[in-house]
Amino acid sequence: AQKVTQAQTEISVVEKEDVTLDCVYETRDTTYYLFWYKQPPSGELVFLIRRNSFDEQNEISGRYSWNFQKSTSSFNFTITASQVVDSAVYFCALRPEGGFSGNTPLVFGKGTRLSVIA
Amino acid sequence: EAEVAQSPRYKITEKSQAVAFWCDPISGHATLYWYRQILGQGPELLVQFQDESVVDDSQLPKDRFSAERLKGVDSTLKIQPAELGDSAMYLCASSSISNSPLHFGNGTRLTVT
Repeated sequence: AQKVTQAQTEISVVEKEDVTLDCVYETRDTTYYLFWYKQPPSGELVFLIRRNSFDEQNEISGRYSWNFQKSTSSFNFTITASQVVDSAVYFCALRPEGGFSGNTPLVFGKGTRLSVIA
Repeated sequence: EAEVAQSPRYKITEKSQAVAFWCDPISGHATLYWYRQILGQGPELLVQFQDESVVDDSQLPKDRFSAERLKGVDSTLKIQPAELGDSAMYLCASSSISNSPLHFGNGTRLTVT
């Protein structure tokens, strides 16, 4: 069975602080994909990143960075120098490889609500 | 950038009434998903289509929920009769090639009174 745990329900930081959102996953599959999505107050889910299970290289995109550690089944997300516009709910998600069966659905964590205070 | 279209944006209905949601995926996306997101929770899959065929509806409460994608393009999700516990955000998503990211619509926020 697939499971994603985001232990932090809510986090509040002051603007310009760095913040790390934790994500731990469970799967028996050897090939899988991990995702982060952002859900602002307007409600839509915005795709941030996809990482496959064979690529443990960390990634940086502007103020965002992701740390994938297969040994601890974690895929943590760090925002550097947070801004008020970063306030949203962030979801980590897991997807087993579709293979010949086609696309497979995402399994989401419960999300972490980030509030950045000016 | 192409978007997944959903309507209506908001729906208020009384319990025991019927309600329907519509989704138009990004053109060319063969896979379509309906998710339900209860307030404070992550989205949970209700049903997945590959073209016009249902791939996974194991979490769809089939006694009251139905979904169709007759021509393999747009899709309709129906609830009849609605119950108070159905109040949630209903999200539609689509994806193209295997394991590509899901693209989500803005969702339909349902309130059952």
